[in-house]
Amino acid sequence: GEDVEQSLFLSVREGDSSVINCTYTDSSSTYLYWYKQEPGAGLQLLTYIFSNMDMKQDQRLTVLLNKKDKHLSLRIADTQTGDSAIYFCAERNRDDKIIFGKGTRLHILP
Amino acid sequence: ETGVTQSPTHLIKTRGQQVTLRCSSQSGHNTVSWYQQALGQGPQFIFQYYREEENGRGNFPPRFSGLQFPNYSSELNVNALELDDSALYLCASSSRPVTGTEAFFGQGTRLTVV
Repeated sequence: GEDVEQSLFLSVREGDSSVINCTYTDSSSTYLYWYKQEPGAGLQLLTYIFSNMDMKQDQRLTVLLNKKDKHLSLRIADTQTGDSAIYFCAERNRDDKIIFGKGTRLHILP
Repeated sequence: ETGVTQSPTHLIKTRGQQVTLRCSSQSGHNTVSWYQQALGQGPQFIFQYYREEENGRGNFPPRFSGLQFPNYSSELNVNALELDDSALYLCASSSRPVTGTEAFFGQGTRLTVV
C-alpha cells in the first residue's frame, strides 16, 4: 500500500542547516510536498516538487528528489528559531489524494 | 491567515454521542477536504466534497459523513463517537479537486471523546 516514512525528531543548532528526509512507496506519485505545522495551527504548504524534477530551490529551502530511490529531502539553510515546528512530507497519489507522513519535529538548539 | 475557518476550535464529547464540525472555505474555492490527525500522526484523508458532491473517500467508516452547502462551506458529522475518534480534524479548501498545491488548511477542531 501507500506509505510515507520520515524520522520523528531532528535537533539542529541555530544558524546550521536542517535536513529532513522522507521515503515514499507510490512510484506513480506526481507531486511531493512539504508542509509545516506550528503548535495549535493548521498545515502550511512550504514547497512542492513535480516528480519529473530533481531539485527545487526557494529562498532558504531546497528540495531534493531521488525518484529511483523514492527519497525526498528538505534542506533549510540558516535555521532560525521560527523554523521550530513539525514538518510533514506528503505525496499525491494516483487518485489525486494526499498521503502524509507522521511528521518530523524540528527542535532548534541555541 | 488562510481564510479557512473551522468551528468550534475545541470540543469534548462522550462516547456514543454525535458531533458536527464546520468549515468555511476560502472565497472562490469550491472544494473542501477533511482530514483526521491523531496525536503524533500525520493527517489522514477522510473525504472530499466538490460542488456539493462527495469526490473520494479514505478508509473511514460510514459513521463519518459530510455535507457541502451551496456557498461551499462544509460539515463533517461523526455518529456513535468512539474514544479513538479523539483527534485534530482539519479541513482544506481549494479551487478544484486537487488538494496539493492549492489547498489551504484551517486551524483545525480538536475533538476529545471521553
